[in-house]
Amino acid sequence: QVQLQQSGPGLVRPSQTLSLTCVISGDSVSSYSAAWNWIRQSPSRGLEWLGRTYYISKWYNEYAESVRGRITINPDTSKNQFSLQLNSVTPEDTAVYYCARAPYRNPPFDYWGQGILVTVSS
Amino acid sequence: EIVMTQSPATLSLSPGERATLSCRASQSFRSNLAWYQQKPGQAPRLLIYGASTRATGIPARFSGSGSGTEFTLTISSLQSEDFGVYYCQQYNNWPPGTFGQGTRLEIK
Repeated sequence: QVQLQQSGPGLVRPSQTLSLTCVISGDSVSSYSAAWNWIRQSPSRGLEWLGRTYYISKWYNEYAESVRGRITINPDTSKNQFSLQLNSVTPEDTAVYYCARAPYRNPPFDYWGQGILVTVSS
Repeated sequence: EIVMTQSPATLSLSPGERATLSCRASQSFRSNLAWYQQKPGQAPRLLIYGASTRATGIPARFSGSGSGTEFTLTISSLQSEDFGVYYCQQYNNWPPGTFGQGTRLEIK
């Protein structure tokens, strides 16, 4: 049974960096078949895919156009986890952030983390 | 970007009734569509992928159909635990893929 456990702060100041971690159990971040994703949900933007990381002989990262330039997703094989960093946040980045697995690199997303509400406010 | 439009916004039905949720795409594609159920305070749960294939552990009362621009999620006989918000997601144009805005299903 795959489980994804998220951690990170629930409050981030404007212009600072949002950092979240997703620990994987029951699968491997280095799996050749899966991709590991970050998705957020807000009343104004709905469900929005942010980016993914996956391994096929080397690491690949892909990011949504809406956050490209501000986002970094990093795998950590030693801890079997992956992380999200979103720079220069504004109140519009306030959302519930989820990590999720896509078992065949592309959707659907079959396992999700529990979600963390991140509020951007001074 | 493919825009996904769900209807109705809210559906209120009694246990035992049949629920039909619609998802319309702004561009045609064959079957790269998923349905998710979300309950308050929880992450979305995958119900259907490939437009019509039930995910592991999903009861047979849930079924998906459609292709092109019209897709449907049907719950044949509503149970009280089926309340929540249902989202469709296209992954034909991926990444980024796009989600619909959701249909809220209320159980009378």
